[in-house]
Order: sequence, then structure tokens, then C-alpha cells
Amino acid sequence: QSALTQPASVSGSPGQSIIISCTGTSSDIGGYNYISWYQQHPDKAPKLMIFDVNVRPSGVSDRFSGSKSGNTASLSISGLQAEDEAYYYCSAYTSSKTLVFGGGTRVTVL
Amino acid sequence: QVQLQESGPGLLKPSQTLSLTCTVSGASINGGGFYWTWIRQRPGKGLEWIGYIFYRGTTNYNPSLKSRLAISLDKSKNQFSLDLNSVTAADTAVYYCARDLVGNWYFDLWGRGTLVAVSS
Repeated sequence: QSALTQPASVSGSPGQSIIISCTGTSSDIGGYNYISWYQQHPDKAPKLMIFDVNVRPSGVSDRFSGSKSGNTASLSISGLQAEDEAYYYCSAYTSSKTLVFGGGTRVTVL
Repeated sequence: QVQLQESGPGLLKPSQTLSLTCTVSGASINGGGFYWTWIRQRPGKGLEWIGYIFYRGTTNYNPSLKSRLAISLDKSKNQFSLDLNSVTAADTAVYYCARDLVGNWYFDLWGRGTLVAVSS
């Protein structure tokens, strides 16, 4: 199973909006809605930000939102804040009944 | 409050078997409802799903690791474990245990992770 494709880095100024893409195939992202996003700060465990494409867990800011179109999922962050600077990973269920992650995207707040 | 805590050796030699344990506190792993999962992150790299075990003993493994991998449960200690044999330097990583709501394929609870280095 190949990792999902994410851009290595995305940056934005405070207050701006950014979008992180996550591209897979019809056997993972395109085939199911079990798509999640995780935020990871340095030396910390990942934190669930979005599940089932666009559902936010309790306690996650509504500045974070998810979507999917075809074989590509996206995480949007609006009103960018310094605390959003972190790595972000997507994940997707696959037709092999396993899970695959993206390679990760470093978000920098300028 | 449910918590997960990984434990195990920090250093191994090539060809040895990596054995890690995840202790679950605040909830019973025998209660059903979750896939108890292992995930790893190689230095400077992304996350890799290793596999899970269900309280009934059902397992599901990453095909790339399946031939070397075993995940097991110890219900009396409320723990689940990972055994990965014939390790190489490529198995050097931070290993996380996590909870996956059955059938939903996302991880709402993670351990802090434990670094395992494989070096001669």
C-alpha cells in the first residue's frame, strides 16, 4: 500500500486561510469516507482533528474543516494562528481493509 | 479518563525481536468497541499503521509487516502487546499505541509514544 500524497509544506500569515491536500486513489480516498486528519507538534503524539471526511471531534476549533472530491481530500485551516504551526497527516481506509497515512505536511505560520 | 502508555526496550540489536506493551487505564480493553492499534513513526518521517487487535483476539496487520508481526492481548493486565521479529535499522521509530473506534478507522486516543532504536 502506497502512502497518500501530501505537499511537504504549506505556509500562511496569521489570519489567512490555507488548504492542505491529500491525494490517493479510488481504492482509498475515492472509495470510502473514512478519512481523518491529525495534527502533530514536535515531540508530541498526533491529535485527531477531523474524522469521516469532515467531522470535528469535540474540542477542536471550527477553524478546521475537511472535504473530499474524487481521490483527493483536503484540510482547510481558516484564521491561521501561531499555535497551528505543526505537521498535519491525513489517513484513509483502503480496499485491502487496512489504513494508509499521508507523508505529512509542515504548516508554517509566517 | 482513559489513558494509554507504551513500554518496552529502547535499544535493540539487528535480528532481535521487538516487544512493546501498551497499558490501558481508565477503561477495560475487554469491553469491546475499539480496535487496539499500533502505529509507528520513523525518524523525520510520516506515520505508518502497523495493525490492531480486537478484544475477541481478531487481528489485522499491515501487509508489509505481517510476516514478522504479532499483536496480542493480556486481558488480566488490561494490556495489549506488539512483537516484531528480525528487526533491522529500518524498524527504528517512535511506536505509538492508539484506540480506534471499531469500524470508523480513526484514532481518538494515543499514547505518548516510545522510541525504539535498532543498532549494532
